Amino acid sequence: TQLLEQSPQFLSIQEGENLTVYCNSSSVFSSLQWYRQEPGEGPVLLVTVVTGGEVKKLKRLTFQFGDARKDSSLHITAAQPGDTGLYLCAGTAIIQGAQKLVFGQGTRLTINP
Amino acid sequence: GAGVSQSPSNKVTEKGKDVELRCDPISGHTALYWYRQSLGQGLEFLIYFQGNSAPDKSGLPSDRFSAERTGGSVSTLTIQRTQQEDSAVYLCASSSRPGVSYEQYFGPGTRLTVT
Repeated sequence: TQLLEQSPQFLSIQEGENLTVYCNSSSVFSSLQWYRQEPGEGPVLLVTVVTGGEVKKLKRLTFQFGDARKDSSLHITAAQPGDTGLYLCAGTAIIQGAQKLVFGQGTRLTINP
Repeated sequence: GAGVSQSPSNKVTEKGKDVELRCDPISGHTALYWYRQSLGQGLEFLIYFQGNSAPDKSGLPSDRFSAERTGGSVSTLTIQRTQQEDSAVYLCASSSRPGVSYEQYFGPGTRLTVT
């Protein structure tokens, strides 16, 4: 059972369309990170959100942390082929008495020209 | 500047053999993490080193897995008597600060295939 559930797992859309990826949990997280991973490379941090209700923008990407700090969303406006990749959310939680970064299973996004 | 490097990039081994995976973190980074990424899954935490403190080994899936970090820099993840379910991409990350809330810089990973 995944502590963090991402949806959809796969998304293929045309260039110029908008999309939203969701990251949901029944647990509360002290912070939540979004990463993007390209084939053959490690994940790269896009943003960290720490406050319930927080919204951060990174060019065409908008990240939101839920008020209860249990969920997050990533919205991309006017998607470009360069946005193609695996998007991972990761939450900071206390597991077995130590702070851990728990990852969702990822959303594989393909933007078609 | 140099990022996190890992070697080898690909490793194919026969079931039952031992393998060693290497990670060179960013110079000066005191925190080092190992993760495993299986197909269709997110990253699974394996082990965390922070400075001279005892490592957090709580994510190691079995006693066939071990890791060490020499001189506070290079780390080696060893898998003994490999099994087919060990096939995955093994990722290393380092951070300049302790604690998972801070940015982790990932290496490109080692793709391990056990035949």
